[in-house]
Amino acid sequence: DAKTTQPTSMDCAEGRAANLPCNHSTISGNEYVYWYRQIHSQGPQYIIHGLKNNETNEMASLIITEDRKSSTLILPHATLRDTAVYYCIVRHPIYNQGGKLIFGQGTELSVKP
Amino acid sequence: DVKVTQSSRYLVKRTGEKVFLECVQDMDHENMFWYRQDPGLGLRLIYFSYDVKMKEKGDIPEGYSVSREKKERFSLILESASTNQTSMYLCASSLGGMSNEKLFFGSGTQLSVL
Repeated sequence: DAKTTQPTSMDCAEGRAANLPCNHSTISGNEYVYWYRQIHSQGPQYIIHGLKNNETNEMASLIITEDRKSSTLILPHATLRDTAVYYCIVRHPIYNQGGKLIFGQGTELSVKP
Repeated sequence: DVKVTQSSRYLVKRTGEKVFLECVQDMDHENMFWYRQDPGLGLRLIYFSYDVKMKEKGDIPEGYSVSREKKERFSLILESASTNQTSMYLCASSLGGMSNEKLFFGSGTQLSVL
């Protein structure tokens, strides 16, 4: 699986968009980008994933560059409850062989009033 | 919503005790996983199971065993607890097929071994 690089920490003002970058320059053609977050004292929570097209769901948007070497997770209107550690994971899903995710150190996002 | 329930939020045990951590999921998921999380080390996979009565070792299986007698339940067993097994334990499940990487986690069990 490709290695990912994320900033250690970021701040965001409440109500503004939070843009969390992830670098995955060694990603291969069949690897997906997954984002999870972990709020303090809780288990990680799946947010979104994508291969090469931009994706959006009720939680966030995922923008993947054309060369797929980096991506950005966007929380459009951050709230205090979005304060968490955000993990970017690159993984090739193999039928019935997956789930063995490697969680790095992630980005600690602090949303401030 | 998928619910993954871990039996205890906090647990305190003594060295040498046999410890059972229970995990139940309610969405008929095929796959279940046990991770532990330690400061500075991130999440590490202990064991996982792709089917009832099947189990596979993860990255750090030493000192642990698992049991999956029913599809919805995955138990982690510490045969003889040691202080270096003090950790946050997280159970997760996923649907299977090509959706293996969309994991649903429980709230975790903070285990302290004294």
